Amino acid sequence: KQEVTQIPAALSVPEGENLVLNCSFTDSAIYNLQWFRQDPGKGLTSLLLIQSSQREQTSGRLNASLDKSSGRSTLYIAASQPGDSATYLCAVDFNTGNQFYFGTGTSLTVIP
Amino acid sequence: GAGVSQSPSNKVTEKGKDVELRCDPISGHTALYWYRQSLGQGLEFLIYFQGNSAPDKSGLPSDRFSAERTGGSVSTLTIQRTQQEDSAVYLCASSPSGGSEEQFFGPGTRLTVL
Repeated sequence: KQEVTQIPAALSVPEGENLVLNCSFTDSAIYNLQWFRQDPGKGLTSLLLIQSSQREQTSGRLNASLDKSSGRSTLYIAASQPGDSATYLCAVDFNTGNQFYFGTGTSLTVIP
Repeated sequence: GAGVSQSPSNKVTEKGKDVELRCDPISGHTALYWYRQSLGQGLEFLIYFQGNSAPDKSGLPSDRFSAERTGGSVSTLTIQRTQQEDSAVYLCASSPSGGSEEQFFGPGTRLTVL
């Protein structure tokens, strides 16, 4: 069964800290992996998309890595800010091209 | 428009009634997806449209759920004889041509079945 798991479910850090969010998936044969953030009551905002041939993608203070062999991806957030507080979702396309399988997310709180 | 739009933003209905949820994808995007996000659970894939191809309906939870996409643009998700377990946020996404490209999400429709 194709599954995506995110640990921890919730994380609280003081402002300015660097942090890592984890995503694991059950099948190494993937098309790509996408990280999203979701603010309360809002839709999803795409952060980074990593194709299966890539090992990482960077955007500003965000860096996402992909290790297909171990079925893991990490989202690194540098110098966290209160505005980073949101739920972060990892989504994987397991070679279907039709849909993403989503983890249940990590709820991040950055304390001023 | 600039992004994916969905309407209504909130819908409250009584058990047994039918509801229609609308999605307007980004102009020019040929792929359109519907997902459901239930309280405390991850997003669940419902259905995928790509151009004029037959839709992938593998995620629809029951025959009470159906969706159509007219003219390759606007999509409507219909839930017949709604049940309380249908209460969730229904999210629509589009991508330029499908095939596992980046997906862009709308704000969702929050459905509450009383």
